[in-house]
Amino acid sequence: DVKVTQSSRYLVKRTGEKVFLECVQDMDHENMFWYRQDPGLGLRLIYFSYDVKMKEKGDIPEGYSVSREKKERFSLILESASTNQTSMYLCASSDLRSPLHFGNGTRLTVT
Amino acid sequence: QKEVEQNSGPLSVPEGAIASLNCTYSDRVSQSFFWYRQYSGKSPELIMSIYSNGDKEDGRFTAQLNKASQYVSLLIRDSQPSDSATYLCAVHQGGSEKLVFGKGTKLTVNP
Repeated sequence: DVKVTQSSRYLVKRTGEKVFLECVQDMDHENMFWYRQDPGLGLRLIYFSYDVKMKEKGDIPEGYSVSREKKERFSLILESASTNQTSMYLCASSDLRSPLHFGNGTRLTVT
Repeated sequence: QKEVEQNSGPLSVPEGAIASLNCTYSDRVSQSFFWYRQYSGKSPELIMSIYSNGDKEDGRFTAQLNKASQYVSLLIRDSQPSDSATYLCAVHQGGSEKLVFGKGTKLTVNP
């Protein structure tokens, strides 16, 4: 079974802090993704990566950056957290042209 | 931005009935289609994949795909209260590893 592990289930941070969300997958998948999910807005893609050190912007990349130094790990960075980044963050991985497998999510609150 | 549209619901059916969930997509070259189930507070889990026109059955679930009409549906037979969840339709953007999600249909199965 595919396992995608997100480092934190709940996180509370202050406005202006730099925030790191970590994600690790154990299936040697090529692709990794970061989504955020908000009521009424559905799942929105922030960034994805199709190879080590490769990244591509999704639909809402502003205020975020990512890092993929190793194939199994994909980090989402909030450079300077703001209250409008309070959300559920979901990491996912997939093989080529295959469905996504999601982690358990990180509920981030920025105060 | 390629779009995936779902009826937002909520959809309410009695226990034992057939629940029918519908999805349309705008990208004509999409080749991969998925249905995810998401319980409140949890991450999405894959329940069906479909890649070619026609029906695909898995237990009580049947996915139907009509590429000419750009339409994919999910039927749940003998609906159970445990099927109460939000169902997300997802479509691979043509030529990309990006998965575009609909906003989901909330299903309630009443005992």
